[in-house]
Amino acid sequence: NAGVTQTPKFRILKIGQSMTLQCTQDMNHNYMYWYRQDPGMGLKLIYYSVGAGITDKGEVPNGYNVSRSTTEDFPLRLELAAPSQTSVYFCASSYSPGQGTRETQYFGPGTRLLVL
Amino acid sequence: AQSVAQPEDQVNVAEGNPLTVKCTYSVSGNPYLFWYVQYPNRGLQFLLKYITGDNLVKGSYGFEAEFNKSQTSFHLKKPSALVSDSALYFCAVRDGAGTASKLTFGTGTRLQVTL
Repeated sequence: NAGVTQTPKFRILKIGQSMTLQCTQDMNHNYMYWYRQDPGMGLKLIYYSVGAGITDKGEVPNGYNVSRSTTEDFPLRLELAAPSQTSVYFCASSYSPGQGTRETQYFGPGTRLLVL
Repeated sequence: AQSVAQPEDQVNVAEGNPLTVKCTYSVSGNPYLFWYVQYPNRGLQFLLKYITGDNLVKGSYGFEAEFNKSQTSFHLKKPSALVSDSALYFCAVRDGAGTASKLTFGTGTRLQVTL
């Protein structure tokens, strides 16, 4: 099991450029999440998905889009990059909530994004 | 609304001494509580969680945490710290009455263990 994998590991974007951050999990989890981590701010939820074809906004969705065409993949799209989107992005996955001990979220290694 | 607070930005402890990293929470329903650890340039790794049952939860790498409902706390502890425990620790909570697994994370506490 590779767990949760993310690509790329690091990227520099110019203002106004677009890119897609890739996330794949091989644990057959139906829930997937995207977070951003800023220094001293903890993690903020951007978007999440409860299954293929279903996505919903988190705490900080502006400037991002997601799609979930398969159980395994949950890409995050930045359409017009802005300096405020400089951050470290983490993808995570889990089983459905309410399943007690199986509810743990598992995180990928992160993508570091710098927008100049 | 749910929230979690980690009142200490950094905790310093000597190797071999006990360590405590503090966490308090606020939810309207029953809390589901988690601790994660982040090593430099790595993703978050799950340490332990409290869903229900025994208030003392044991997790990975010798860590444990005690759920205290009256004080709304879930402090992380270890009897004897190692230099290799130096990392960033996050407490997280979700309201057990919620329908989606939306975790709220604290701002993190950096643990520094020295020889």
